[in-house]
Amino acid sequence: AQTIHQWPVAEIKAVGSPLSLGCTIKGKSSPNLYWYWQATGGTLQQLFYSITVGQVESVVQLNLSASRPKDDQFILSTEKLLLSHSGFYLCAWSPQGDSDYTFGSGTRLLVI
Amino acid sequence: GDQVEQSPSALSLHEGTGSALRCNFTTTMRAVQWFRKNSRGSLINLFYLASGTKENGRLKSAFDSKERYSTLHIRDAQLEDSGTYFCAAEGRNYGSSGNKLIFGIGTLLSVKP
Repeated sequence: AQTIHQWPVAEIKAVGSPLSLGCTIKGKSSPNLYWYWQATGGTLQQLFYSITVGQVESVVQLNLSASRPKDDQFILSTEKLLLSHSGFYLCAWSPQGDSDYTFGSGTRLLVI
Repeated sequence: GDQVEQSPSALSLHEGTGSALRCNFTTTMRAVQWFRKNSRGSLINLFYLASGTKENGRLKSAFDSKERYSTLHIRDAQLEDSGTYFCAAEGRNYGSSGNKLIFGIGTLLSVKP
């Protein structure tokens, strides 16, 4: 069975500090990977997607970047956090050619 | 662009009763998913449908691509069914837009004794 693991569960970070969120998918080769974000009181927005290792497409510009260093790993990061980065970050995967999404448990980020 | 209109935005049920949530689509969607938000805020898969109906316990979902709607029926509601439910659909530009799902606004379901 496939599993999706996100870390950390929650973070409190200072404005201007770096951030790295991780996501791994086990039991599925070559999944499509996604990062979603929801600001407090806002709607879920897709930030990035990746179809294959080393390839990441940006959907929304939020001064964040993403990388896929391995087939089963998706990283979301920034060098300098903004207050507006606060919110709930979700990683998700779907099979190639299929939109059957499975979401991770999420990371709650508070930037102060 | 493609939109998903979910209703109702809030629903209150007494234990043992049932009702339906609905999502209407402004265009033909290839597939729909229903999720439930858990206590942490993540989304738990309930159903994925490319057509027809699926049933799982007290939940049943239907998707009619041609008529542009999907429903989620809950029967014999229990207290633990309370929460927020979302539909999400795969629009026309799914592949070219980054495999982006289009989400409804959610339905806050409250089940009362």
